[in-house]
Amino acid sequence: AQKITQTQPGMFVQEKEAVTLDCTYDTSDPSYGLFWYKQPSSGEMIFLIYQGSYDQQNATEGRYSLNFQKARKSANLVISASQLGDSAMYFCAMRGTVGNTPLVFGKGTRLSVIA
Amino acid sequence: SQTIHQWPATLVQPVGSPLSLECTVEGTSNPNLYWYRQAAGRGLQLLFYSVGIGQISSEVPQNLSASRPQDRQFILSSKKLLLSDSGFYLCAWSPMGLGSPLHFGNGTRLTVT
Repeated sequence: AQKITQTQPGMFVQEKEAVTLDCTYDTSDPSYGLFWYKQPSSGEMIFLIYQGSYDQQNATEGRYSLNFQKARKSANLVISASQLGDSAMYFCAMRGTVGNTPLVFGKGTRLSVIA
Repeated sequence: SQTIHQWPATLVQPVGSPLSLECTVEGTSNPNLYWYRQAAGRGLQLLFYSVGIGQISSEVPQNLSASRPQDRQFILSSKKLLLSDSGFYLCAWSPMGLGSPLHFGNGTRLTVT
């Protein structure tokens, strides 16, 4: 079974600054995938970034990067140059070895960007 | 391109009434389909998932059920709603593969009164 822990219920960041959202995970699967989603107040779930457990490099997608530390079982999301539109809930999720398995989500972190 | 449709967007139902939420996917075949529920300010709880027609896996025992009558159609039902069934229901699909993200519908906000 997989478990995701997000210990920051809420975070504040100044506009144009970088912010790191924490995510730790637990699994016994030898390979797995880690995902981050953004949920604005409208409720839609927006896929941001993916990291495979055997990927050699940390994933990046535009202003989003994933700081993957396998030994520490952490997959923190880094958002650079924060914008007001980044204010939202952010969820970390993971999937185990078998590709058909659903994603297990953390409880989320609410990010507020301040002008 | 693939799209997912989920309806209705909002629903207010009395306790004890039935429920039917529908989700359809276009532009792909044999998708994996999922129903999640999100309580206010909380994370996503997996309710059901399906890897094929007629194949339903239930994650949480409750008074909800799911069906997949067609390849790209996923239905969430209840015979009698409880107050605790209130929440935000999200349908999602994904192709097979460890690195395949889930693609979500816009959700249904259900209030049971």
